[in-house]
Amino acid sequence: GAVVSQHPSWVICKSGTSVKIECRSLDFQATTMFWYRQFPKQSLMLMATSNEGSKATYEQGVEKDKFLINHASLTLSTLTVTSAHPEDSSFYICSAAATDFESPLHFGNGTRLTVT
Amino acid sequence: QQQVKQSPQSLIVQKGGIPIINCAYENTAFDYFPWYQQFPGKGPALLIAIRPDVSEKKEGRFTISFNKSAKQFSLHIMDSQPGDSATYFCAASMGASKLTFGTGTRLQVTL
Repeated sequence: GAVVSQHPSWVICKSGTSVKIECRSLDFQATTMFWYRQFPKQSLMLMATSNEGSKATYEQGVEKDKFLINHASLTLSTLTVTSAHPEDSSFYICSAAATDFESPLHFGNGTRLTVT
Repeated sequence: QQQVKQSPQSLIVQKGGIPIINCAYENTAFDYFPWYQQFPGKGPALLIAIRPDVSEKKEGRFTISFNKSAKQFSLHIMDSQPGDSATYFCAASMGASKLTFGTGTRLQVTL
């Protein structure tokens, strides 16, 4: 089945630094990838939609200058958390679907970010 | 985002029981309704999905029942096992892309 790989699986960084998270579709091409954020024991909240070759579309309330998204190819999207603060600590999950409109979304295994 | 309401918040059943998780949606334009299973520290995994042209879909021990007029759908897990203990999320979207998730149900299957 379709595999979405996310890296790193966990990261600890200091306040004020930036962290990059990669999301790769391993066996299919994805024109669109999605980035979600999940707090403990809560649901997934969509942060942004990443479109290959164009600017990402951010959901209301998500700071685009803080959460930089780049979708440089049909198999790779990156999320960079800039100037991280402890309140950015969370579980970040990406998802992707094949270019076929009928294909379901598959999720990566998430990245646990801890900002100290 | 359009809301998807999910209940119950948590559920405990004995092994072999049939837990039922319910979801309701508002947006009649939604045409894709998947269920995801998530274990702690992992991303959600697609279990089963349904489109509104059918009222029921079964895959293995998992069954979705769909009521278009009531704008409700539910997940049934037959012969539940301790390994099914996880958090389950319903979701809805227009097309199989930008999903709106329910609030999640933490299922515990006891021996």
